[in-house]
Amino acid sequence: AQSVTQLDSHVSVSEGTPVLLRCNYSSSYSPSLFWYVQHPNKGLQLLLKYTSAATLVKGINGFEAEFKKSETSFHLTKPSAHMSDAAEYFCVVSVRPDGNQFYFGTGTSLTVIP
Amino acid sequence: NAGVTQTPKFQVLKTGQSMTLQCAQDMNHEYMSWYRQDPGMGLRLIHYSVGAGITDQGEVPNGYNVSRSTTEDFPLRLLSAAPSQTSVYFCASSYSRSNPYEQYFGPGTRLTVT
Repeated sequence: AQSVTQLDSHVSVSEGTPVLLRCNYSSSYSPSLFWYVQHPNKGLQLLLKYTSAATLVKGINGFEAEFKKSETSFHLTKPSAHMSDAAEYFCVVSVRPDGNQFYFGTGTSLTVIP
Repeated sequence: NAGVTQTPKFQVLKTGQSMTLQCAQDMNHEYMSWYRQDPGMGLRLIHYSVGAGITDQGEVPNGYNVSRSTTEDFPLRLLSAAPSQTSVYFCASSYSRSNPYEQYFGPGTRLTVT
């Protein structure tokens, strides 16, 4: 079975400081992993994805994530938070035998303090 | 391209009423799916379709019906609305079920059942 655990339901950072949103996954097969962002009252937007190529993945708006198989982790980072980064972030796993079924984490709410 | 569109954006129903949430995509995607988003639970898969004429159940299918008569459209029907179906509903699509392509999400429908 596949599952995703987002280790923090809320993260608060000051503007200009680094962001770390943690995600661990469980998968019986080689996974594809995604981070999506949802701004208030909006739909979901893809930030980045890992699909078995480079383990360090760069996404939009300065975000990146590193796939660590040994730790079953896919943490999302950004060197310097911006006010516009305040949103809900979802880590998602998908595995080939399940077709395109996505398994979502419960989300991390990021607050950026001016 | 309009991408994934959903109508209506907001809906209030009384218990026992039925309604259809509309979803359409103009990207010629094979795979379409419906999710519901509830606080603290991430997104959960209701139903999905891997092509016209083919649908299957996801994690939380009870109380919902779907059909896929065309590639473009994937409506979600609530047969007899219940307060437990109060949620935000997202439709998503992706190119193929055989590869873990990213999913494109619609803007969502906020449903309240009283």
